[in-house]
Amino acid sequence: NAGVTQTPKFRILKIGQSMTLQCTQDMNHNYMYWYRQDPGMGLKLIYYSVGAGITDKGEVPNGYNVSRSTTEDFPLRLELAAPSQTSVYFCASRPGQNTLNTEAFFGQGTRLTVV
Amino acid sequence: AQTVTQSQPEMSVQEAETVTLSCTYDTSESDYYLFWYKQPPSRQMILVIRQEAYKQQNATENRFSVNFQKAAKSFSLKISDSQLGDAAMYFCAYRSVPGKSTFGDGTTLTVKP
Repeated sequence: NAGVTQTPKFRILKIGQSMTLQCTQDMNHNYMYWYRQDPGMGLKLIYYSVGAGITDKGEVPNGYNVSRSTTEDFPLRLELAAPSQTSVYFCASRPGQNTLNTEAFFGQGTRLTVV
Repeated sequence: AQTVTQSQPEMSVQEAETVTLSCTYDTSESDYYLFWYKQPPSRQMILVIRQEAYKQQNATENRFSVNFQKAAKSFSLKISDSQLGDAAMYFCAYRSVPGKSTFGDGTTLTVKP
């Protein structure tokens, strides 16, 4: 059971380049999330999904896009990379439907540097 | 918007001693959950403990316990018999809407041998 898998683990982008951060989970969870964590700070929610075909913005969605075509996958797209997007990105998932209490499972994170 | 505040950027504790990490939150909701997560240097986020707002009894998981004061909107984490492996960054998190969680900025805990 792999849990939540993120790829790549590290990436350096040039300003203006685009990339997709991949996230897949094999636990059949409905909820999936993308967070960013800046140095010494907590996690900020970028986008989330409550199920396949449904996505919504979090606190800091600008500069990002997501899609959720399957239950398993929730890729995060950066269209025009900017230095302000240098961060560690975490994908997470959790089970349930319209529930608050279930545990979120996190991937190992992707360290992205934009130069 | 809900906010979560961890007022202690850094804390240290002697091995085998007890330490308490503070967390306060701001909300107008009546039904919500609170969580403490641990993030060791490996970056992996690990759930430590959770508390439902409707439960007056404080949650406990082995050496970890919380002091939940709903009226004061306070949710502190107590670690007893601290171990070297407890060294990590600890995050307090709040969830009142199924899709969203709000995290504090974290407290870095150092355990001294």
